[in-house]
Amino acid sequence: ILNVEQSPQSLHVQEGDSTNFTCSFPSSNFYALHWYRWETAKSPEALFVMTLNGDEKKKGRISATLNTKEGYSYLYIKGSQPEDSATYLCAFTVGNQFYFGTGTSLTVIP
Amino acid sequence: EPEVTQTPSHQVTQMGQEVILRCVPISNHLYFYWYRQILGQKVEFLVSFYNNEISEKSEIFDDQFSVERPDGSNFTLKIRSTKLEDSAMYFCASSGTSGRLYTDTQYFGPGTRLTVL
Repeated sequence: ILNVEQSPQSLHVQEGDSTNFTCSFPSSNFYALHWYRWETAKSPEALFVMTLNGDEKKKGRISATLNTKEGYSYLYIKGSQPEDSATYLCAFTVGNQFYFGTGTSLTVIP
Repeated sequence: EPEVTQTPSHQVTQMGQEVILRCVPISNHLYFYWYRQILGQKVEFLVSFYNNEISEKSEIFDDQFSVERPDGSNFTLKIRSTKLEDSAMYFCASSGTSGRLYTDTQYFGPGTRLTVL
């Protein structure tokens, strides 16, 4: 079983603050890294799929970077809003298997 | 917008009973998955399915588990003889058509909470 770590485990920020969190994964045998946003009582929602070292993806105020050589990805949220409150999950794929982190729980305080 | 649906939303069963969890993937998707999340733990991959056969399975997916696409729309997960430790949230997901399983965006259903007593 491959270990995918996310930090911090939880985060509280004020509305308007920018924030970021980390997903660490094994750097060997990399296929892809997925980011999901998971609101309570809803399905995980795909944010990004990243495959190339140095990849940067952006969706509105959310962006992500990927470093496959050192085995980490950062997710950034610019100007956090209360509706950004959710758990952010990353998943590392090797072949056709997916290994999830435990998630970072973000709470944005109005 | 098309979505993945799952039924039932909550299933309670006695230990040793068989359960079937049902999923309807997005209609033009070709790849289907089951995951589970035991309370307080990570989401765990169980199995992926393509072209009417299992594409990949994890070590969790032992002989107690099976998957099937009995018709053109449903995708089912069967647990033959449930154990207490099978209690978890089970998520179905589907992805599209690029032909590269690991890079396609996956769309998740809302999950079925299975409680084994």
